[in-house]
Amino acid sequence: AQTVTQSQPEMSVQEAETVTLSCTYDTSESNYYLFWYKQPPSRQMILVIRQEAYKQQNATENRFSVNFQKAAKSFSLKISDSQLGDTAMYFCAFVLTQGGSEKLVFGKGTKLTVNP
Amino acid sequence: NAGVMQNPRHLVRRRGQEARLRCSPMKGHSHVYWYRQLPEEGLKFMVYLQKENIIDESGMPKERFSAEFPKEGPSILRIQQVVRGDSAAYFCASSAFEPINNEQFFGPGTRLTVL
Repeated sequence: AQTVTQSQPEMSVQEAETVTLSCTYDTSESNYYLFWYKQPPSRQMILVIRQEAYKQQNATENRFSVNFQKAAKSFSLKISDSQLGDTAMYFCAFVLTQGGSEKLVFGKGTKLTVNP
Repeated sequence: NAGVMQNPRHLVRRRGQEARLRCSPMKGHSHVYWYRQLPEEGLKFMVYLQKENIIDESGMPKERFSAEFPKEGPSILRIQQVVRGDSAAYFCASSAFEPINNEQFFGPGTRLTVL
């Protein structure tokens, strides 16, 4: 089965602190891409960070970084120095490529609230 | 360079009516994807199209739903005889290249409400 599991429906963090969102996935692909998307109240889907599975080095984008454990099929997102604007739904996803098609498979999301 | 455009942003229909959702991909993109987001859920893949071709419609309900991406003009997702269960946010995404795990760029979504 090609699935993504986000085990934390909701999380909260104080402004300026660090928070980690969990994600595990299941795929039979050997090479794939993983993504974290942010969906603020405006509902626009915004790409936060991407990771290529064949790269061992964890991706980093400013205050956002991932902990990618390929063997464990784990892809957690760490947000450092949390800001009020980070309040949003966060979705973990991977690209499933089959038979000439390509589609994103999403988890159910984690609602993150940053408190002042 | 304008992003992915979707219209309308909000659409209200009564049960039994038709809904037409439009998506204009980013300039230079020839691949379009439609996703549906039910309340409190993640996005679910519906259909993947290239110009004038449906590549993968494995996520589309078998009845009432159809999609097209003509040579000229936007991609259209059409829902006939809408029911309350069709109420959701519908997102379009586009990408530039062949399926080699390129990023998909999302539009702002169309929120469909069926009364």
